[in-house]
Amino acid sequence: EVQLVESGGGLVQPGGSLRLSCAASGFTFSNYDMHWVRQATGKGLEWVSTIGTTGDTYYPGSVKGRFTISRENAKNSLYLQMNNLRAGDTAVYYCARATPSNAVDLWGQGTMVTVSS
Amino acid sequence: QSALTQPPSASGSPGQSVTISCIGTSSDVGGYNYVSWYQQHPGKVPKVMIYEVSKRPSGVPARFSGSKSGNTASLTVSGLQAEDEADYYCSSYAGSNNFVLFGGGTKLTVL
Repeated sequence: EVQLVESGGGLVQPGGSLRLSCAASGFTFSNYDMHWVRQATGKGLEWVSTIGTTGDTYYPGSVKGRFTISRENAKNSLYLQMNNLRAGDTAVYYCARATPSNAVDLWGQGTMVTVSS
Repeated sequence: QSALTQPPSASGSPGQSVTISCIGTSSDVGGYNYVSWYQQHPGKVPKVMIYEVSKRPSGVPARFSGSKSGNTASLTVSGLQAEDEADYYCSSYAGSNNFVLFGGGTKLTVL
């Protein structure tokens, strides 16, 4: 079955760190760019980061310098290292497979990250 | 970066057509034919309905269509059905600096 399964979410204090993981299966993971997209409760979708097939990375200004996306093709896995977390980072984080035009054609079920003291 | 601009709500009666707009700039919507649209039902994962402005993935009904004029993209849902009631998000590639932008979302109500 073609799927993405995230893990690693949880409750963390402001200023803390968390590492999210995403396990891909059912497709050739190394052939795809991958995104992380987040959604705060009751809010819209927000792009968090992208990693290309060659390891090139992209971030919006809101997380640049705090978040690091990486991939391990041998393990069909995507990661998001999140440091210096803020209350505004509280959201469901989705792992997502990108099409050549950067649309998302496959989403994970999401993992909840809560930043609170 | 600024999000793409969508109306917060739209509505129509069953069988009618409704169009949702997505306003960007020449650096995103207007600069690339890489606009996509997503449908999200409450508590569910988003689903791509349109990609590359007007292409429909396999399995998406032909009632859903996309277009673009200048810096504005549009999603049209024809022959509205009750199951079309959902949140809809547009997205665009925005170059190597901003990469991906999303709209704020439009809640579509089928009256």
